Amino acid sequence: KAGVTQTPRYLIKTRGQQVTLSCSPISGHRSVSWYQQTPGQGLQFLFEYFSETQRNKGNFPGRFSGRQFSNSRSEMNVSTLELGDSALYLCASSLGRPGQGNTEAFFGQGTRLTVV
Amino acid sequence: AQSVAQPEDQVNVAEGNPLTVKCTYSVSGNPYLFWYVQYPNRGLQFLLKYITGDNLVKGSYGFEAEFNKSQTSFHLKKPSALVSDSALYFCAVRDSGGYNKLIFGAGTRLAVHP
Repeated sequence: KAGVTQTPRYLIKTRGQQVTLSCSPISGHRSVSWYQQTPGQGLQFLFEYFSETQRNKGNFPGRFSGRQFSNSRSEMNVSTLELGDSALYLCASSLGRPGQGNTEAFFGQGTRLTVV
Repeated sequence: AQSVAQPEDQVNVAEGNPLTVKCTYSVSGNPYLFWYVQYPNRGLQFLLKYITGDNLVKGSYGFEAEFNKSQTSFHLKKPSALVSDSALYFCAVRDSGGYNKLIFGAGTRLAVHP
């Protein structure tokens, strides 16, 4: 069974540009969450999608956005990139529906974004 | 607000010795607790979870965790450490607001020495 797939693995962008990251969840998983990991802030929740709807959002500026498609694949977009956006962006998929907190999340290998 | 604390930035242990990585939590209601491991330049791998039932939870790669409600702790343990266990370990709690959001601790780096 294939795991969570994130593309691309590595990205280098210039300040002010925008970027789109992609995540394909495990087959049958309809819940997709995104996290940002940095050395200073650790793992921080960005947003969660279920059935193409954003169900929950973390404390990030509006430059960070996402969406989910009918096949549960998800993308996140960061516009007007800043140096501080350099991070490992992790996608996780879960079998559980919103509120079904007893199911574990499975993570992809992440996209390493470097903003220069 | 819910939170997770991992009081040790790093834990050092000799190969073959038992290891413990500590985690305490603060939640309202019943906690759903998880342990994940991260190897360099990789995502997080699920190790184990506590939902309800037995306080001793067994997981992958010989790891187990002990849930202690009175001490609000969920420490990760392994009877005999391997050098290959060296990695970054995260404790997490499911947000009680519903959905699948995880709140992570800061992480503990485990170094197992030969």
